[in-house]
Amino acid sequence: DVKVTQSSRYLVKRTGEKVFLECVQDMDHENMFWYRQDPGLGLRLIYFSYDVKMKEKGDIPEGYSVSREKKERFSLILESASTNQTSMYLCASSSQAVPDSGNTIYFGEGSWLTVV
Amino acid sequence: QQQVKQSPQSLIVQKGGISIINCAYENTAFDYFPWYQQFPGKGPALLIAIRPDVSEKKEGRFTISFNKSAKQFSLHIMDSQPGDSATYFCAATTENSGNTPLVFGKGTRLSVIA
Repeated sequence: DVKVTQSSRYLVKRTGEKVFLECVQDMDHENMFWYRQDPGLGLRLIYFSYDVKMKEKGDIPEGYSVSREKKERFSLILESASTNQTSMYLCASSSQAVPDSGNTIYFGEGSWLTVV
Repeated sequence: QQQVKQSPQSLIVQKGGISIINCAYENTAFDYFPWYQQFPGKGPALLIAIRPDVSEKKEGRFTISFNKSAKQFSLHIMDSQPGDSATYFCAATTENSGNTPLVFGKGTRLSVIA
């Protein structure tokens, strides 16, 4: 069964702290994504990666960075957390084997981050 | 720049009624249009998807209608049930470009009341 695991479901961090959100997928997918979800704004793409050590900026990369040292793991880093980064963060993965996969994205269950 | 516009933002439907959510896109290169369903506390999951070579796709109570000339597509949920209460996202991408991320609409929160 497909699985995208986000290690932390709920976090509370202080302004200025460095925050790591970890994501692991067990489907051998090439593509991995980080989205943030806010009420009324939907899913906004922060960063994505289509290969190990590769990364691409999404729509809202400011204040974030990512790391992909291994194919199965994609980390989101908040270098200096701010209150406007309080949100739910969703990791996702997909295969590049189009059209077999139909571009299906598989999401984790989300990490709720509160910055105080 | 919002490439996929979704409406309404929220929707309340009586049990047994039809729920309709609409999306419009701008990029004529889009050729794959999925819908994702998200329950509270969970990540979104693929519900149904359509490619522009057909005008309609049905899976159980869920139907996508696609209008290529109008650049619009919609999700119809027939005989809506309380268990369908969730947030629905439409999305679009160019399928044959494997590295192009999905572009999502802003979501519709559906509540089905008994």
